[in-house]
Amino acid sequence: KQEVTQIPAALSVPEGENLVLNCSFTDSAIYNLQWFRQDPGKGLTSLLLIQSSQREQTSGRLNASLDKSSGRSTLYIAASQPGDSATYLCAVTNPSGGGADGLTFGKGTHLIIQP
Amino acid sequence: NAGVTQTPKFQVLKTGQSMTLQCAQDMNHEYMSWYRQDPGMGLRLIHYSVGAGITDQGEVPNGYNVSRSTTEDFPLRLLSAAPSQTSVYFCASSQGTGGYVEKLFFGSGTQLSVL
Repeated sequence: KQEVTQIPAALSVPEGENLVLNCSFTDSAIYNLQWFRQDPGKGLTSLLLIQSSQREQTSGRLNASLDKSSGRSTLYIAASQPGDSATYLCAVTNPSGGGADGLTFGKGTHLIIQP
Repeated sequence: NAGVTQTPKFQVLKTGQSMTLQCAQDMNHEYMSWYRQDPGMGLRLIHYSVGAGITDQGEVPNGYNVSRSTTEDFPLRLLSAAPSQTSVYFCASSQGTGGYVEKLFFGSGTQLSVL
């Protein structure tokens, strides 16, 4: 069974720092990987999606990388801002069963950016 | 563009009561799903659908029913509410064909308490 782990569980950094969030998964046969952001009391917002054939995706100050062979992904946030404070989750879609039943989520990294 | 709309936002039930959580999307997505989010457990898939008339069970389907009569709507029914069903429920939809999940769009959630 696929397992997704996110380290650290919580992170607090001063504003302006660059930071990296980590995601690891046990089965490398994934279809794609997504990074989500969740604000308190809200739903999840998809930030970046990396297909299994891709190595990275970028959106503004965010860059996500994927290393399938080692079962790892990182989310890099440049020049962090207080508005980046949220919980960040990664999820992998497994190819078995067509992927529809195979979306496995990590438990998230709770990020606080100190003004 | 409304995206994924969930109602109600909050609900309190007594043990044994039944109710339906509503979910609608206006993006013509074939794939729709229901998750529950619990502290320490992360997001777990309850049921999903890859198109109108097609539904299947996820990781934690017991106590819940779904149907998909139209592409737009995917209601979740609690048959006889139990305290263990106290949770935050999210509906999500995605483009993609053949059951392969692409970028996932979430609703804002329903906070359910069962007394």
